[in-house]
Amino acid sequence: GDSVTQMEGPVTLSEEAFLTINCTYTATGYPSLFWYVQYPGEGLQLLLKATKADDKGSNKGFEATYRKETTSFHLEKGSVQVSDSAVYFCALSPRQAGTALIFGKGTTLSVSS
Amino acid sequence: SAVISQKPSRDICQRGTSLTIQCQVDSQVTMMFWYRQQPGQSLTLIATANQGSEATYESGFVIDKFPISRPNLTFSTLTVSNMSPEDSSIYLCSVASGRVGEQYFGPGTRLTVT
Repeated sequence: GDSVTQMEGPVTLSEEAFLTINCTYTATGYPSLFWYVQYPGEGLQLLLKATKADDKGSNKGFEATYRKETTSFHLEKGSVQVSDSAVYFCALSPRQAGTALIFGKGTTLSVSS
Repeated sequence: SAVISQKPSRDICQRGTSLTIQCQVDSQVTMMFWYRQQPGQSLTLIATANQGSEATYESGFVIDKFPISRPNLTFSTLTVSNMSPEDSSIYLCSVASGRVGEQYFGPGTRLTVT
């Protein structure tokens, strides 16, 4: 079945460091891909998405490119801030509208000043 | 976007009891989802709830343990029955946005079973 694998955490960085969180997926067909973020004590929020190959999703300085050839959707940010400390989840959705999401295990990011 | 509220936000319960979690959405939605997030783990889908039909449960989850109601297009409840410490988790409801795969999540209910 479909699945998502993301790098193990926690990831600990200093402010203004470069961030990469790896995410690869296994799916039949052409899923949509997502990054969700969960700040401490809050529910999940959609961070960015990409719905087809070579699409780049971006938001709040974060970017991820849908790479069909490597089945990857790595999250990057050029300069992290303390406020980026959160848990990041990579997820996919099959093409059918309304289908539930399949999540990776989440990566905890901790940024220190 | 949809605004989702959940009640209670957290609870501490004794084993053997049941807890009903409410999920309220500020707009009418067809599909609602219930997820469980065990400590340090990812989200696992419990069931999909469509208004007017029985909920569809994922492998490993059964209706007797997690009965779900969906009386209208803005509301749903999940009951965690005959609780044990292994049920200690965050329970989240979500709704489909209408765009493929995109969902809005409630803030979650943090359940601790002693």
